[in-house]
Amino acid sequence: QQPVQSPQAVILREGEDAVINCSSSKALYSVHWYRQKHGEAPVFLMILLKGGEQKGHEKISASFNEKKQQSSLYLTASQLSYSGTYFCGTAVNNDMRFGAGTRLTVKP
Amino acid sequence: GAVVSQHPSWVICKSGTSVKIECRSLDFQATTMFWYRQFPKQSLMLMATSNEGSKATYEQGVEKDKFLINHASLTLSTLTVTSAHPEDSSFYICSARDLRGTADNYGYTFGSGTRLTVV
Repeated sequence: QQPVQSPQAVILREGEDAVINCSSSKALYSVHWYRQKHGEAPVFLMILLKGGEQKGHEKISASFNEKKQQSSLYLTASQLSYSGTYFCGTAVNNDMRFGAGTRLTVKP
Repeated sequence: GAVVSQHPSWVICKSGTSVKIECRSLDFQATTMFWYRQFPKQSLMLMATSNEGSKATYEQGVEKDKFLINHASLTLSTLTVTSAHPEDSSFYICSARDLRGTADNYGYTFGSGTRLTVV
């Protein structure tokens, strides 16, 4: 079963922050986050493996609430290069299933 | 880091013909590879899991006889779209997981994708 992402789309000005949420009706054992630019393959951003884990790289970070079966991706002081579609994914029996995606547009 | 190579990047074929797409893990071995299909502005939908040396596992609703998967070695999986029709036109992407290193790096690496257009 696919995780549910929200919002579907976000438009930001450079320097603004955004939060993308991912939830599942089934127990989550790990959450992956990917970004896909138009016409390209998805690129792995990070994986969260433990409940309560928070992780980040530069100004993109994520948290994982295992009990609530949720994860959130935080984009701080967004840059033009952050534009793309963000997918969360959950691995069920090693098969990665993706949410519907959140289209993020950062404008100058 | 892990690299997955996918070929061709794009292909245009006539209705009724077959098309083969290759997916290779370049610097690691992958006993399992995954095939996805993505329609414009939609998510990646898992089609099948390719297992080295055994039969692929298909998702519900995916025709096994139409989408033939072969995983003959630890670094190569192929997807053949047989008797292609215009409705098969889509972006096909493979992925694999490099389990070397720490769990923090256990993300899935994707090939660059193949845009199939059936005319």
